[in-house]
Amino acid sequence: EPEVTQTPSHQVTQMGQEVILRCVPISNHLYFYWYRQILGQKVEFLVSFYNNEISEKSEIFDDQFSVERPDGSNFTLKIRSTKLEDSAMYFCASKGQGFPTYEQYFGPGTRLTVT
Amino acid sequence: DAKTTQPNSMESNEEEPVHLPCNHSTISGTDYIHWYRQLPSQGPEYVIHGLTSNVNNRMASLAIAEDRKSSTLILHRATLRDAAVYYCILSRTGNQFYFGTGTSLTVIP
Repeated sequence: EPEVTQTPSHQVTQMGQEVILRCVPISNHLYFYWYRQILGQKVEFLVSFYNNEISEKSEIFDDQFSVERPDGSNFTLKIRSTKLEDSAMYFCASKGQGFPTYEQYFGPGTRLTVT
Repeated sequence: DAKTTQPNSMESNEEEPVHLPCNHSTISGTDYIHWYRQLPSQGPEYVIHGLTSNVNNRMASLAIAEDRKSSTLILHRATLRDAAVYYCILSRTGNQFYFGTGTSLTVIP
């Protein structure tokens, strides 16, 4: 069965550094998402991406964050200057079509630790 | 998107059915009801979704109240692998999900 993959599985970085989290969505999917989950808290929507542009973003997704689909397979989340409170699991998801009846497929996540 | 209310936790014995409730009294006519679950240390995974009619798939059944203000996810025979946090989510577009705190299901062997 096709799956969403994410690299790295764990990233440790120092406060103020830039990080790029990488995702490979399912190959024929068109809609891409990033969510995060701070330890012990709920999953939070960050951003959705379609047709090479952001379609929705939450209040969390401020100027520190950016997303990109640099080629036909990768989907990346960049955090420009990490803060301690950015420590969380980051999940990428993808969906085949825009209809609400299509399911989102989530990756296994990248654990980001900011020290 | 409208808010959902779920019990924080539930327990079930292995091999028995589990009914996980969700209240969504402010649901709008175009909101789909989605259920996802998150197994320990994994990303969320799709379980089932519906709009007005009850739905069945290989994983579960979804019973939707006639007024759509509540729904129930039914696992017909709970296994240890079903121990997870179950999220009930409303979405018109299915494009961004706002997860609540969900119901943590414990399956007792």
